[in-house]
Amino acid sequence: AQSVSQHNHHVILSEAASLELGCNYSYGGTVNLFWYVQYPGQHLQLLLKYFSGDPLVKGIKGFEAEFIKSKFSFNLRKPSVQWSDTAEYFCAVNKVNNAGNMLTFGGGTRLMVKP
Amino acid sequence: ETGVTQTPRHLVMGMTNKKSLKCEQHLGHNAMYWYKQSAKKPLELMFVYNFKEQTENNSVPSRFSPECPNSSHLFLHLHTLQPEDSALYLCASSLKTSGYNEQFFGPGTRLTVL
Repeated sequence: AQSVSQHNHHVILSEAASLELGCNYSYGGTVNLFWYVQYPGQHLQLLLKYFSGDPLVKGIKGFEAEFIKSKFSFNLRKPSVQWSDTAEYFCAVNKVNNAGNMLTFGGGTRLMVKP
Repeated sequence: ETGVTQTPRHLVMGMTNKKSLKCEQHLGHNAMYWYKQSAKKPLELMFVYNFKEQTENNSVPSRFSPECPNSSHLFLHLHTLQPEDSALYLCASSLKTSGYNEQFFGPGTRLTVL
């Protein structure tokens, strides 16, 4: 079965530090990849997505992610975090040959940014 | 209201109770989803509806019964639940289920089963 692994369950950073959250998936076929974010008390919302083309994807609020097919990875990065980036981040994978639009989520990473 | 709304936001029920969760989307989408978010576990897909037809049941126990009367509304009927069913239940919608379409999530219903 397809699985999505997020290696860091909790991350604590100071403002202006650089961020990298790991995401690996186990499916060997073509995939669409996503990062969702859930700010405290808010809905889960899409941060960025990869379908095809340039493997370096830029999203909202200065986030970016790089798809490395050979490593089955889609790590999320931000060069300088802010206190407002405190949230839970979820990586998700959609199998392209799947007949439906069904996402498999990773376990999430809770990020706390200290002011 | 815009986006995806869910009611109630919090629900406490006993194991013998019957209750229902409601989801409504105001986005003109045709596909709707129920997810379960438990502590320390990944978000799990439960059900998928496309144009009111159930297209996916991810081996969910029969004590959870979904209903989709139209493309804008989705219900999750609950009966004889167990304490381990306590979780955040999220509803999502997308334009369709074929190919990829971004899923938009509601705020969730926090369910506690006593």
